Order: sequence, then structure tokens, then C-alpha cells
Amino acid sequence: GNSVTQMEGPVTLSEEAFLTINCTYTATGYPSLFWYVQYPGEGLQLLLKATKADDKGSNKGFEATYRKETTSFHLEKGSVQVSDSAVYFCALSEWSGGKLTFGQGTILTVHP
Amino acid sequence: GAVVSQHPSRVICKSGTSVKIECRSLDFQATTMFWYRQFPKQSLMLMATSNEGSKATYEQGVEKDKFLINHASLTLSTLTVTSAHPEDSSFYICSAAGGRGLKTTEAFFGQGTRLTVV
Repeated sequence: GNSVTQMEGPVTLSEEAFLTINCTYTATGYPSLFWYVQYPGEGLQLLLKATKADDKGSNKGFEATYRKETTSFHLEKGSVQVSDSAVYFCALSEWSGGKLTFGQGTILTVHP
Repeated sequence: GAVVSQHPSRVICKSGTSVKIECRSLDFQATTMFWYRQFPKQSLMLMATSNEGSKATYEQGVEKDKFLINHASLTLSTLTVTSAHPEDSSFYICSAAGGRGLKTTEAFFGQGTRLTVV
């Protein structure tokens, strides 16, 4: 079956630091890959996605590249802000819009 | 982007009572809706998939008689937690997908419902 593994948190950074959250996946087919963000007390928001190998998703300064050879979709941001503090979920779907398999989530805290 | 509204955002109920959570797609027709459950500091676990006009498909280990799902129209799905117990306290999130009226078939999430059973 499908599975997603994220680096364990929590991750604590100072403002303007570089962020990497690792994500690897196992899938039988060719899934679409997603990063979702959940701010305190809220639901999930799509942060970025990639639908095929070598695609790069980007949004709000965050980036992730779909690496089929390493089955990875690591999330990166060059300079984090306090407002980026949230829980980040890596996820995959066998078809765009289908049911999602989530990683365990990574709590990010950014200090001023 | 597409909007999914979930109601209520928070609910506290007494043990033994039933609670209904609504999930509405406001500006598109959702042929498929998904219900997830999130335990504190854990990931989201898919509970069931519902397609408009047909019975929901439940994931292994989810009690269908306890978590009743109805998807009566293309814009509304409901989850009813029957005879709730404290162990049912959790964060429940729905997502909707479908594509009608949308450029893609991406799934959009509601805001979530925090259920506390006392």
C-alpha cells in the first residue's frame, strides 16, 4: 500500500533560517505529491503540489521537487518567518483530487 | 479557489448523544467527499469516502454504524457520530473533490470540527 514518511519534529528555527522538511513516499503507481499546512486551530490548506517526476511545486517562498529516483518530495524555504509556524503535512494521491495518504506531520516553530 | 465549509467548528456533547457534522462545497459540485480524523499531534487518518447518491466506503477499522455518512447532494455530506463516547473526541476534517465547475480535480478541505465528548 501507499505510505508517506516525514522527518520527525518538532523543528525549531530562528527567523530567516533555512528550512528543510524531509518527505519520502512509497506508492504502487505514479502519485501526485502535496504539501499541506495547518495553522493552529484551523483546517488544512494546500501549500504546493507536483503531479509528475521532476516537477517543482512552489508557493509563498516554499519549494519541493518531485524526485522519482529517490521517492522524495522534500520541502524547503530559504528564509522562514514567524508566521510560518504551523504543522506541515506531506501527502500523496494516486489521482489528483483523490483520497490522500498523509505523513505524520512536522511541527515547525519559528522564533523572532 | 474552491471553498469547503464545515460546520460546526467546535462542539461539546454529552456521552451517549449523537452529533452531526456538515461539510458543504460552496462554489462547486463535489462528486466525492472524504472524512478524516486527526488525533492530537498525529496525522490525518482517512475514515471514509462518500460519493453522491451512493453508500460510503469505510476504511478498515472504522465502524460504519457509529460513524454514519450521508452524501445526499453534490454540495453536502454529513458525518453523524452516534452514541458518542469520550474516546470519539477528536478533530474531524472533510475534503471535497469532483471537478465540476473546477479547473482541476484537486481536493479542498473544510476548516475542521473539534468534537469533545464529556
